[in-house]
Amino acid sequence: ETGVTQTPRHLVMGMTNKKSLKCEQHLGHNAMYWYKQSAKKPLELMFVYSLEERVENNSVPSRFSPECPNSSHLFLHLHTLQPEDSALYLCASSQDGQHFATNEKLFFGSGTQLSVL
Amino acid sequence: GQNIDQPTEMTATEGAIVQINCTYQTSGFNGLFWYQQHAGEAPTFLSYNVLDGLEEKGRFSSFLSRSKGYSYLLLKELQMKDSASYLCAGTDSNYQLIWGAGTKLIIKP
Repeated sequence: ETGVTQTPRHLVMGMTNKKSLKCEQHLGHNAMYWYKQSAKKPLELMFVYSLEERVENNSVPSRFSPECPNSSHLFLHLHTLQPEDSALYLCASSQDGQHFATNEKLFFGSGTQLSVL
Repeated sequence: GQNIDQPTEMTATEGAIVQINCTYQTSGFNGLFWYQQHAGEAPTFLSYNVLDGLEEKGRFSSFLSRSKGYSYLLLKELQMKDSASYLCAGTDSNYQLIWGAGTKLIIKP
């Protein structure tokens, strides 16, 4: 148990659907992240929030829309996805955010395995 | 460009020792992380090295050579539960994490 909970664990959606991924952290951390993990590829950072403010957006397509209502919750809203978006989506948190510390470790959730048909 | 290289897959025997290598090229360097990820589970932190040398934590040790851009994770007395993917990640001058694709370690009885 890492203290970071993601729901749902699995999601199958069509290209015209709208769905949301949810992440909640119980660690009192100030920074939260969305990563995309595809098979045999490095983790891709999608979004970073620090104190509920988005500090980084790594040129992610607009069909992915993040929302951070407070420091404990993070959402990823999905709409009109493509089959190549099928992947494991990981949420993570850290104490203060990578911009503020050199050795801040990340605490990950177990991810949402997304399949786009 | 920035890059992290590590082997795609390794196989080892229960009770043995295995070394997983990682080489990095980053713009500046502020340390290197190792994470363990069991299939279907969250990656979990194993180690962080910023100075040259070996750091030992029980059965796991991590080594760093900044001059060579090289790190390794050493696992001793392998157990079946060590079957997992091991992710190497370097931190560049802006403290951004650059990830490797991970090494899948298979432990055989």
